[in-house]
Amino acid sequence: KAGVTQTPRYLIKTRGQQVTLSCSPISGHRSVSWYQQTPGQGLQFLFEYFSETQRNKGNFPGRFSGRQFSNSRSEMNVSTLELGDSALYLCASSSIQNSPLHFGNGTRLTVT
Amino acid sequence: AQTVTQSQPEMSVQEAETVTLSCTYDTSESDYYLFWYKQPPSRQMILVIRQEAYKQQNATENRFSVNFQKAAKSFSLKISDSQLGDAAMYFCAYRITGGGNKLTFGTGTQLKVEL
Repeated sequence: KAGVTQTPRYLIKTRGQQVTLSCSPISGHRSVSWYQQTPGQGLQFLFEYFSETQRNKGNFPGRFSGRQFSNSRSEMNVSTLELGDSALYLCASSSIQNSPLHFGNGTRLTVT
Repeated sequence: AQTVTQSQPEMSVQEAETVTLSCTYDTSESDYYLFWYKQPPSRQMILVIRQEAYKQQNATENRFSVNFQKAAKSFSLKISDSQLGDAAMYFCAYRITGGGNKLTFGTGTQLKVEL
């Protein structure tokens, strides 16, 4: 079974631009979560989608948004990029509630 | 709000020896899960072990075991017979039962394994 796939692996953007990150969960998994990892703030929860509905949301500004498609693939969008958005963005999927999370390799976003 | 604290930013262990990583957490919930994740340089977070709060028995997975002290809100990870491949950043994490997949992570412990 293929693991969680995140694309692209690396991304460089300029301040003020917007970016879309993609996550394909493990086949059969309906829950997709997103996390931001930075040296200063550590790992922080962004949001979770389950069956195309946002189920949980972390404390991030409205510039951070996401969606999930009917095939469970998810995208995360960040608008009006700031230097502080530079981070590793991790996606994780799980099959049912309370089952273990499986993480992807992440997308490294650099904002210049 | 739930918090997870890892007080050891860095630890070292000799190959084949045993090391214990510490984690404490704060919550008012009674039903939750605790996890240890490993993040090697490849960046992928790998689940090492998990513990359900209602189970008193400590979880074990091969060379990995935990010491779960619910009253003290402590959840340490013991790695026995350490191997070079165990070198990684280790994160302790917490999740409320029924709270979806929102994990609260600690700041991590960088484990170095020496020959």
